[in-house]
Amino acid sequence: DIQMTQSPSTLSASVGDRVTITCRASQSISVWLAWYQQTPGKAPNLLIYRASSLQSGVPSRFSGSGSGTEFTLTISSLQPDDFATYYCQQYSTFTWTFGQGTKVEIK
Amino acid sequence: EVQLVESGGNLAQPGRSLRLSCTASGFPFGDYAITWVRQAPGKGLEWVGFIRGEAYGGTTEYAASVKGRFSISRDDSKSIAYLQMNSLKTEDTAVYYCTREKTGLDYWGQGTLVTVSS
Repeated sequence: DIQMTQSPSTLSASVGDRVTITCRASQSISVWLAWYQQTPGKAPNLLIYRASSLQSGVPSRFSGSGSGTEFTLTISSLQPDDFATYYCQQYSTFTWTFGQGTKVEIK
Repeated sequence: EVQLVESGGNLAQPGRSLRLSCTASGFPFGDYAITWVRQAPGKGLEWVGFIRGEAYGGTTEYAASVKGRFSISRDDSKSIAYLQMNSLKTEDTAVYYCTREKTGLDYWGQGTLVTVSS
């Protein structure tokens, strides 16, 4: 199975900060990567698909980039609603995998 | 409005079986793959498996951790997907989500809790 490794595991930031989360795949997944946001007690919400395509309704401060084995999720200016846990997920093969998550905390 | 509602979560003893249902509305159910994702208490997301849409033969794929114990099926006439869980283990304790797959998992249910304990 393809392993997905996110870094950092926890990130402390302030409102207005630019935030970048990295996701690395154990082998090439082309652009078959999605990003999700999850707040406590809620189901995850799709932010980005195909590595860089913004899901409808998601604010433009979220962006994704990368291909192959290295990907990033960037929040250009952190807002109060963005303090949450973020997961990457590969769907390159018949068995899909999630990263372990990155928690974005208030500094 | 697209909606996915899971049901069937409960307390089960190790080795027993449980069946979860995912009832969908607001979209042409047969055209979409349905994926199950679980989240153990305080842990991250784990992909469980999916069932392809009718156009792709309704075939299934599973994570190694559940292969041979869990099976996914669907009844397109009722817009329901099922997750049959056999030989349950304590490590199967989690909230189970059903999701619609388009480009990424774009709609999720609210989840149903499965607790496996003696």
